[in-house]
Amino acid sequence: EVHLVESGGGLVQPGGSLRLSCEASEFTFSDYWMSWVRQAPGKGLELVANIRHDGNEKYYVDSVKGRFTISRDNARNSLYLQMNSLRAEDTAVYFCSRMQRDGYNDYWGQGTLVTVSS
Amino acid sequence: DIQLTQSPSFLSASVGDRVTITCRASRGISNYLAWYQQKPGKVPQLLIYAASTLRSGVPSRFAGSGSGTEFTLTISSLQPEDSAAYYCQQVNSFPPTFGPGTKVDVK
Repeated sequence: EVHLVESGGGLVQPGGSLRLSCEASEFTFSDYWMSWVRQAPGKGLELVANIRHDGNEKYYVDSVKGRFTISRDNARNSLYLQMNSLRAEDTAVYFCSRMQRDGYNDYWGQGTLVTVSS
Repeated sequence: DIQLTQSPSFLSASVGDRVTITCRASRGISNYLAWYQQKPGKVPQLLIYAASTLRSGVPSRFAGSGSGTEFTLTISSLQPEDSAAYYCQQVNSFPPTFGPGTKVDVK
């Protein structure tokens, strides 16, 4: 069974930084696009960033461009999200998710909570 | 970006009822649409992809239909465990976008 485990969330002040990690197992990580999807408290789902299986193509939602960086280490079966210049509106649960070739997110981690507050 | 709307935003129905959720896209997306279920405090689960293909293991009371700009998710006989939020997602064009969600309450 595919397994995705996020870590790195926590409380951070506005303007601060956090690095989220997602460790993948039970599938060939290097074969898949991966996503970070977030969910603000009581709100819906929002794609934050995607990265191609080889790391050479990345997408970011407009609200995080220039502040967040998605990356991966296929040798370590790991996905990352470096988040800088954090704002209160970035407060959310951040999910790591595997993307199928046709774009659907078929497996999700349990999520890690990021709270941006002074 | 393609925008998705869902209706209703909330519905309450009884066990055994047939319920339908609609998802509309701002422009045609062929059949590149998925439905996800998210139970309270839980992780989203993919239910249906390609508008009407049921993911393995998903109960047959769930069905998806539609193409172009209008899609529906139907639960043929609502069960207590179906209490959840349901989201549509289009993957026709990058970036993939989600609908705002429909909360289903089982009386």
